[in-house]
Amino acid sequence: DAGVIQSPRHEVTEMGQEVTLRCKPISGHNSLFWYRQTMMRGLELLIYFNNNVPIDDSGMPEDRFSAKMPNASFSTLKIQPSEPRDSAVYFCASSNRDRANYGYTFGSGTRLTVV
Amino acid sequence: AQSVTQLGSHVSVSEGALVLLRCNYSSSVPPYLFWYVQYPNQGLQLLLKYTSAATLVKGINGFEAEFKKSETSFHLTKPSAHMSDAAEYFCAVTGSGYSTLTFGKGTMLLVSP
Repeated sequence: DAGVIQSPRHEVTEMGQEVTLRCKPISGHNSLFWYRQTMMRGLELLIYFNNNVPIDDSGMPEDRFSAKMPNASFSTLKIQPSEPRDSAVYFCASSNRDRANYGYTFGSGTRLTVV
Repeated sequence: AQSVTQLGSHVSVSEGALVLLRCNYSSSVPPYLFWYVQYPNQGLQLLLKYTSAATLVKGINGFEAEFKKSETSFHLTKPSAHMSDAAEYFCAVTGSGYSTLTFGKGTMLLVSP
């Protein structure tokens, strides 16, 4: 298994531009999570999906952030318009809700820099 | 609501010394607990997990952790540190419904020769 695949690995964009981050979860996993990691705030859960349905988006910081999961093998996190304070590492993780095997598998992350 | 407290943002040990990284949790339901490790420029990798079976849990790379309900703790230990153990370590706890994980702030482990 290739694991959780995120793209791009690095993104540098100018303030005001739209940014789209992509994630391919592990095949067979039915939960997907988007986290943001910063020095100041650590790891923050932004949103998670079960069976492609958004369950809790209370961590999404503003309306500028949106996430979709059109099918079991793909999810996007979009920021529009982007701001310098959005600079962070964004992680996608997936899991199988079978409790006996509970645990997340993380992707390598996307390092976003907004200038 | 669930929460995790990791004591010490940085821990320094010498190679060959005991590693002890502390984690205390708060949870309104019987918790599942996890330790993850993050190497520079990488994602988080699962080290070990407690899911209500044995209270002493063994993980990868010689790490282990003990669940102590009376102390609401899940400290991570390794008898002898290796240079390759230098990384950031995160403790995490499940929330109600066991749907999500709440992470601690992380502890950076520094290993000196």
